[in-house]
Amino acid sequence: EAQVTQNPRYLITVTGKKLTVTCSQNMNHEYMSWYRQDPGLGLRQIYYSMNVEVTDKGDVPEGYKVSRKEKRNFPLILESPSPNQTSLYFCASSPRGRGFNQPQHFGDGTRLSIL
Amino acid sequence: DQQVKQNSPSLSVQEGRISILNCDYTNSMFDYFLWYKKYPAEGPTFLISISSIKDKNEDGRFTVFLNKSAKHLSLHIVPSQPGDSAVYFCAARYSGSARQLTFGSGTQLTVLP
Repeated sequence: EAQVTQNPRYLITVTGKKLTVTCSQNMNHEYMSWYRQDPGLGLRQIYYSMNVEVTDKGDVPEGYKVSRKEKRNFPLILESPSPNQTSLYFCASSPRGRGFNQPQHFGDGTRLSIL
Repeated sequence: DQQVKQNSPSLSVQEGRISILNCDYTNSMFDYFLWYKKYPAEGPTFLISISSIKDKNEDGRFTVFLNKSAKHLSLHIVPSQPGDSAVYFCAARYSGSARQLTFGSGTQLTVLP
């Protein structure tokens, strides 16, 4: 089954404790992205990757890191989490083709609470 | 500054009637628009899209209309069904950029049986 898998689905942690949210897709997609969803703000892009070893900042990259060492994986790293990073996070992937206009496939989300 | 706006946080419609969800954008560079549907505890799923070279795109019960001069798009669902109850996100992008989508804040649609 074609899917984007995020782990963990839920996490409660404390300020300053490094954490990683993993994202894996099995569709051989070139593009991958991370978004955060906050009430009244919709989904905002954190980072995106056009292919292996190619990453770039989205609209709200502060406090986050990413890496793309393999095509299927795109982990999101919070080196020193703070309460303002409490949010619902989504990973997404899409294939290259038709320009950049292929619809994205989203994971089911990771709810992070930073105390 | 939100470049894609959905000014109605919620909408309730009777089953069988038309649902109209609206979206406005400010960035004239946007040339591709999408609607996503999201159920609780799931990620958004793609619903329908439209390129700026068109003013209408239809897929079954779903039709998206684009008014470029007004920088406005709308999603029509006819007839509405209880299973359509979800949050609907409007999204836009500029095709010449690798950056991904800019989303609106979403509209919660409730279809009443």
